[in-house]
Parts: sequence; C-alpha cells; structure tokens
Amino acid sequence: KNQVEQSPQSLIILEGKNCTLQCNYTVSPFSNLRWYKQDTGRGPVSLTIMTFSENTKSNGRYTATLDADTKQSSLHITASQLSDSASYICVVNNYNAGNMLTFGGGTRLMVKP
Amino acid sequence: SAVISQKPSRDICQRGTSLTIQCQVDSQVTMMFWYRQQPGQSLTLIATANQGSEATYESGFVIDKFPISRPNLTFSTLTVSNMSPEDSSIYLCSVEAGNTDTQYFGPGTRLTVL
Repeated sequence: KNQVEQSPQSLIILEGKNCTLQCNYTVSPFSNLRWYKQDTGRGPVSLTIMTFSENTKSNGRYTATLDADTKQSSLHITASQLSDSASYICVVNNYNAGNMLTFGGGTRLMVKP
Repeated sequence: SAVISQKPSRDICQRGTSLTIQCQVDSQVTMMFWYRQQPGQSLTLIATANQGSEATYESGFVIDKFPISRPNLTFSTLTVSNMSPEDSSIYLCSVEAGNTDTQYFGPGTRLTVL
C-alpha cells in the first residue's frame, strides 16, 4: 500500500530557530513530491514541488530535499517566524495510479515568541 | 497560478439534510478535485470532476452520497446528502494549473452536522 509518513507529528520551536520536518514514502513509481503549508482553517498552499531528478528546492526560508533512493524528503525552515505556525503536509504523486496524490498526516508546527 | 473560492465558508446543518458546496476557479481547468479533511486528519480525495463527464469517485465514496456537478471549466459543486454527524469535516476543492503541475486548493468549507 502506498504510504506517506511524516515526523514529528507536532513540533514547538522558538522564533528565530531552525527546524527540519521529515517525510518517508513508499509510493512507487514516484512522479513528484510536494510540500504544502496549511494554516488553521485554510486550504493547503504549495511550497515546493520536486521531481525524482531533483534533490533540493528552495522557496525563501523553506528548503526541501529529496533522496529518491531512500524515499525520504525533508523540509528545512530557517529563521522561523510566528507566521510559520501551521501544518506542513508532504504529498507524493503516483502518475501510474491516475495522477493519485498520497497525503502524509502532516506535521503541526508551532513557533513561539 | 489559480485562485479558488468556495461557498459557503462554513455551515452548521441538521442531521438528514443536504448541503451543496460551490467551487469557483479564476481560470479554465480540465480537472477539479474534491477532498475531505476530517478533524486532525490529512486530506482524503473524494472524487475527480472532469467537465462533460461523470465524476470519478474514490473507494468509500459514492455518487448518491456526494453528487458532483461540473457544468463548465471554472465551476463545480459537491453536495453532501442526507448528512450525519460523521460528515462533519472540511471539504476542499482543488485544481491543477500551470505547467509546473502544481495543485491549488480552495479555502475549504467547514461543515458541522448536529
């Protein structure tokens, strides 16, 4: 069964600190991997999208990495801000399954002043 | 990019009634997706709606419970029929747009069934 597992489930950090969120997946064959940010009460917003040939992609203070061999991805947030408090969702796309997206359970991040 | 709006943003409904959720996109898109996000959970795909054809439902979701309309390339509706408290959830509309294969999500409709 295709799965996407994220860790940790929740995380509290102080403003200004860095953090790294993990995503392990078993989806195969793999087409692309996406990281989304979902503020409370809002829809998810795309942060990065990486194909299997890309191993890093940045979007401002967010940097995603991908190791397609070990089926692992990480999202690194630098110099966290209070507005980074949200859920971060890892999503893997399997084109062979009719463009099926498999969603991770998300990591709930809280940034405290 | 694509800008998606949903109506209503939230509603509280009685058991046994039905609610229709509207999704409007600011550009023409071929495929629209409807997701459900139960409290504290990640997103689950309900169905894929293509203009001019019947919606394709995922396992566990049926047309009688979640009828979908797709009258044109910028609009879709999802109806939650004969609601029960277990249907309390956030319902999100989504589209793929642009050549970067990015999926955009609407703000969601928060449904509470009493």
